[in-house]
Amino acid sequence: QVQLQESGPGLVKPSETLSLTCAVSGGSLSSSHYYWGWIRQPPGKGLEWIGGISYTGNTYYKSSLKNRVTISADTSKNEFSLKLTSVTAADAAVYYCATGQHLDYFDYWGQGTLVTVSS
Amino acid sequence: QSVLTQPPSASGTPGQRVTISCSGSSSNIGSRYVYWYQQLPGTAPRLVIYRNNERPSGVPDRFSGSKSGTSASLAISGPRSEDEANYYCAAWDDSLSAVVFGGGTKLTVL
Repeated sequence: QVQLQESGPGLVKPSETLSLTCAVSGGSLSSSHYYWGWIRQPPGKGLEWIGGISYTGNTYYKSSLKNRVTISADTSKNEFSLKLTSVTAADAAVYYCATGQHLDYFDYWGQGTLVTVSS
Repeated sequence: QSVLTQPPSASGTPGQRVTISCSGSSSNIGSRYVYWYQQLPGTAPRLVIYRNNERPSGVPDRFSGSKSGTSASLAISGPRSEDEANYYCAAWDDSLSAVVFGGGTKLTVL
């Protein structure tokens, strides 16, 4: 069973870069069976897909975030990462990493990590 | 404003069948699979229905999904107190080239 664990700063200053990492266990980033994604959820609100990366390294981003987002994978560490630049208060959310056998769904999720944006 | 439209709330008793609707368009539900996630308070979402009507291992058979045209539904037959949660529908959207979610429906078991 795949397990995911997010890590990174819980507090980011406005205009700075949010960086999170998702450690993968019980599965391999290079496995042809999985896609790896990031989803966020502002406090009290719904889910928002940020983007994902395939086992071939192809990346997919939500268009409204595309200019600020980078998702990358480090197969040697079996982890993948999210970078979101120029953050504002609107980027404050619980950030989840997740994986599924196709890009459009997720059957394993991390527990989520809360990111606050404040000076 | 979510791309997929869900009612904000739903309720039912253990003896009832509760359904949650999800309305989309031809670029998402109309041409793609629909997925449903359950999110208990303070926890990560959990996939309960995939590919319109399939249940992952471990999901009780009281959960079922259906799709017709540009709409989909999640049904819970005889909901239990442990089913009280927010439920989200999701699908790939070909126009947006993105996964889109519904706004979520809070289920209350009376």
